[in-house]
Amino acid sequence: GAGVSQTPSNKVTEKGKYVELRCDPISGHTALYWYRQSLGQGPEFLIYFQGTGAADDSGLPNDRFFAVRPEGSVSTLKIQRTERGDSAVYLCASSPGIRVGDTQYFGPGTRLTVL
Amino acid sequence: DAKTTQPPSMDCAEGRAANLPCNHSTISGNEYVYWYRQIHSQGPQYIIHGLKNNETNEMASLIITEDRKSSTLILPHATLRDTAVYYCIVRGGGSQGNLIFGKGTKLSVKP
Repeated sequence: GAGVSQTPSNKVTEKGKYVELRCDPISGHTALYWYRQSLGQGPEFLIYFQGTGAADDSGLPNDRFFAVRPEGSVSTLKIQRTERGDSAVYLCASSPGIRVGDTQYFGPGTRLTVL
Repeated sequence: DAKTTQPPSMDCAEGRAANLPCNHSTISGNEYVYWYRQIHSQGPQYIIHGLKNNETNEMASLIITEDRKSSTLILPHATLRDTAVYYCIVRGGGSQGNLIFGKGTKLSVKP
């Protein structure tokens, strides 16, 4: 079946601009996660949703970052007033639920470059 | 912070078994051990997970010590396509959401 998809695969923007990154989870998965990966590092957690609500947003670095999942399926990560330090690969994952044994499956990521 | 310790890099000959160690000495009784790998420029790929029993699937075997303070991921016949960064992650307890990744082990499979 179809896995997690993310669009765009690459995004180049200028400092100060607004960007939106999209994630389409595996059909039927109720939990959706966003991570950020900088060069040479492991992915770092940003936020996760159970259904439509953000269950834990403790990883968002500041209030320029916001994510939504209005219908409990597709999610959008929004970054305002982008900074060069926001350049990274943004990864999305989904899982059937939030039980500890529910496996997270990752998408290919969106590579964001802020010039 | 990650609750696991892994060697930064390992080499393995093609066709041989790759044994990747992971220490998780502070693991709690209700926490699982998960393994993911990340091939260059791709998203992390799930490999296997376990609680206390050894586990095997089509990709790998997971051996967890009886005291659960360490584990080993075994790729029985490594191929060049298994070259990747392998992450050992402890998940569970009060944090049932996110995965906490360390730096992983860079496995290089050589012909």
